[in-house]
Amino acid sequence: AQSVTQLDSQVPVFEEAPVELRCNYSSSVSVYLFWYVQYPNQGLQLLLKYLSGSTLVESINGFEAEFNKSQTSFHLRKPSVHISDTAEYFCAVSNTDKLIFGTGTRLQVFP
Amino acid sequence: DTAVSQTPKYLVTQMGNDKSIKCEQNLGHDTMYWYKQDSKKFLKIMFSYNNKELIINETVPNRFSPKSPDKAHLNLHINSLELGDSAVYFCASSQDGWERGTDTQYFGPGTRLTVL
Repeated sequence: AQSVTQLDSQVPVFEEAPVELRCNYSSSVSVYLFWYVQYPNQGLQLLLKYLSGSTLVESINGFEAEFNKSQTSFHLRKPSVHISDTAEYFCAVSNTDKLIFGTGTRLQVFP
Repeated sequence: DTAVSQTPKYLVTQMGNDKSIKCEQNLGHDTMYWYKQDSKKFLKIMFSYNNKELIINETVPNRFSPKSPDKAHLNLHINSLELGDSAVYFCASSQDGWERGTDTQYFGPGTRLTVL
């Protein structure tokens, strides 16, 4: 069975500081990995995903994540965060018909 | 022009009542989903439909019955509501996610259900 672990339930950070949100997964087969973001009172939106190829994937708003097969990780990073990045971030894994989500990490950016 | 819409946005009701949540997507997608997000933000799939056919039915009480009149709609009917049903319910859709697992899912804004 697949599972996803997000070790940090909350990450407080000051504006313009770098941030890393951690995600580890377990699976006995090849997987596809996703990061979704949920802004307050909204549904989830895809931030980025890894399907195959280059292990470093980027989003349009400056986030990036690196697939590390040996460490079974897919950590999300941003070199300089903005107030508007305050949201809940969900890591998810899929191999066929459904997404398995982690418990989420709340990123709180302070001025 | 909302891609995935849900109604109502908020639903407050008494225990034992029956209620429905509607979902519509205008993306032309083949697959639709219902998720439940509990008070700790944990998100878990409940059902998925592909072209009106049930694909996934997780261990959800049979008080929950999804209905897909066409591939653009997936409604959720809940009988005999219980306190533990209080949660935010999200509808989602994807182009053809049910057998490849690679497709992006597009989520609706959610329906916050409160059972008193």
